[in-house]
Amino acid sequence: AQSVTQLDSHVSVSEGTPVLLRCNYSSSYSPSLFWYVQHPNKGLQLLLKYTSAATLVKGINGFEAEFKKSETSFHLTKPSAHMSDAAEYFCVVSETSGTYKYIFGTGTRLKVLA
Amino acid sequence: KAGVTQTPRYLIKTRGQQVTLSCSPISGHRSVSWYQQTPGQGLQFLFEYFSETQRNKGNFPGRFSGRQFSNSRSEMNVSTLELGDSALYLCASSLVVTVSTGELFFGEGSRLTVL
Repeated sequence: AQSVTQLDSHVSVSEGTPVLLRCNYSSSYSPSLFWYVQHPNKGLQLLLKYTSAATLVKGINGFEAEFKKSETSFHLTKPSAHMSDAAEYFCVVSETSGTYKYIFGTGTRLKVLA
Repeated sequence: KAGVTQTPRYLIKTRGQQVTLSCSPISGHRSVSWYQQTPGQGLQFLFEYFSETQRNKGNFPGRFSGRQFSNSRSEMNVSTLELGDSALYLCASSLVVTVSTGELFFGEGSRLTVL
């Protein structure tokens, strides 16, 4: 069975400092992995996705994530945080096994301090 | 191109009533899925439809149901509302039809409050 664990429920960083949001996954098959962002009272927006191509994935707004199979991790990073990055971030896993099912992590709320 | 549209955006109901939420996917998207988001349980998958057929269902009671029309628009219905049904209900559409590798495009949600 597939699952995803976001290791931090809250992360605070100062503006201009790096961001690291951690995600570990469990999957019986080759997974597809995604990061989504949700701003208050809004729907979710895709930041980036991994689907068995390059292990380092670049997304929108300067975010990137690295797929590490040996560590079953897909951590999200950004070199320099901006105030507009304050939001909730979700790591998502799905399996390419024929079933249509996405499993969402519990979310990490990112706070950016001025 | 218009995004995913959900109506109504906000609604208040009382226990025991029923509610119907609507979702219009992005033009050309034939897969529509529904999620319930609450502070305690996070994002939970309700069900997914493709070409008017339910392909997958989450672990929700039978009070939660849905359907999809020939134009890909979808509705979900919750009967006999309970206080715990208060949540943000999100709809997402997707272009990829065979496996779950495609991007989900989300609407802004319908916020249901049950009193």
